[in-house]
Amino acid sequence: AQSVTQLGSHVSVSEGALVLLRCNYSSSVPPYLFWYVQYPNQGLQLLLKYTSAATLVKGINGFEAEFKKSETSFHLTKPSAHMSDAAEYFCAVSDGGYSTLTFGKGTMLLVSP
Amino acid sequence: NAGVMQNPRHLVRRRGQEARLRCSPMKGHSHVYWYRQLPEEGLKFMVYLQKENIIDESGMPKERFSAEFPKEGPSILRIQQVVRGDSAAYFCASSPLGSDEQFFGPGTRLTVL
Repeated sequence: AQSVTQLGSHVSVSEGALVLLRCNYSSSVPPYLFWYVQYPNQGLQLLLKYTSAATLVKGINGFEAEFKKSETSFHLTKPSAHMSDAAEYFCAVSDGGYSTLTFGKGTMLLVSP
Repeated sequence: NAGVMQNPRHLVRRRGQEARLRCSPMKGHSHVYWYRQLPEEGLKFMVYLQKENIIDESGMPKERFSAEFPKEGPSILRIQQVVRGDSAAYFCASSPLGSDEQFFGPGTRLTVL
């Protein structure tokens, strides 16, 4: 069985500050890992994904994440937060292919001026 | 290429009524997934379908819930005799054959009075 833990249901940063959203996973097989962003009353949009290639993955809007097998982590970072980054972020794991996604509970990112 | 379409976007039902949620996958996508998002929770997998086949329904409640993806037309998630606990956002995702990426629709927000 797979699971995802996102530490911190809410993270607050100032505009221009570093964004760090934490994700730890559990999987019995080599995982595929995803970060999605959800704006209010909208669906999920894929930010980036790891599928066993490079461990540092670059996504859209300046986000990136690093797969660390030894720590079973896939934390999401962005060097400088923008007001438009305020949203809810979900980490998800699958075992690839047609497999279903297992999501974490989400982290709400709040960005203050 | 239009994205994943879901309708209605908002649905209000009284206890005991039936709810029908529709999902039209992206053009060329043959796989459909349904997820449910309860308040302050991550998305939970419900069912995975291909045309005319249910592949995995391990996340579906045993009673009152059913799903189909006919040869022609949208995928339907049907909830009979709704209860207040069914109030949630229901998301559909689709993916093309051979892909590990799921594209999400905007969701249907079901409110049971």
